[in-house]
Amino acid sequence: EPEVTQTPSHQVTQMGQEVILRCVPISNHLYFYWYRQILGQKVEFLVSFYNNEISEKSEIFDDQFSVERPDGSNFTLKIRSTKLEDSAMYFCAGFGRDTGELFFGEGSRLTVL
Amino acid sequence: AQSVSQHNHHVILSEAASLELGCNYSYGGTVNLFWYVQYPGQHLQLLLKYFSGDPLVKGIKGFEAEFIKSKFSFNLRKPSVQWSDTAEYFCAVNEAAGNKLTFGGGTRVLVKP
Repeated sequence: EPEVTQTPSHQVTQMGQEVILRCVPISNHLYFYWYRQILGQKVEFLVSFYNNEISEKSEIFDDQFSVERPDGSNFTLKIRSTKLEDSAMYFCAGFGRDTGELFFGEGSRLTVL
Repeated sequence: AQSVSQHNHHVILSEAASLELGCNYSYGGTVNLFWYVQYPGQHLQLLLKYFSGDPLVKGIKGFEAEFIKSKFSFNLRKPSVQWSDTAEYFCAVNEAAGNKLTFGGGTRVLVKP
């Protein structure tokens, strides 16, 4: 079964540092998403990406965040200057047109100290 | 804007007991409905989905859900749970295929052996 893969699985960083989270979506997916889940809280939408541009973003997705698909396969989320409250699990997802469902990666746990 | 509410935050039950998790959404138009499960330390996996047709949907692992349009509800059920059903369960909706998912707050289910 095809999978969405994410790296790193866990990253610890100092406040103010830049972080890049990577995702390799399933090859025939066209829509991609980033979600985050702060410990003990709900899964929150960050951004959706289609046709090499952002199609929708939430209030959380401020100027500190950016996404890109630099080489047509990897889909990255960059946090420019991390804050303590950015500590969360970040999930990448791709939309499967055949099934109409989102396929999620295993997540990248970010810990900001 | 859509919102999804899950009434129970924590549910504890014994093996072989029946499970029902409530989910209500607020959106006046046509929606797609999903239940995802997150086993400890794992990523979100789709249990079942409803797009149209028979409002009683059967999913994997013996789960089913019923869409009641008049009540804006999509409750998840399983007649007899197992210890391995210990997980967090998320209800989610979107307006159309490919659109972002809005998640409920999740229900943590603990099944005692």
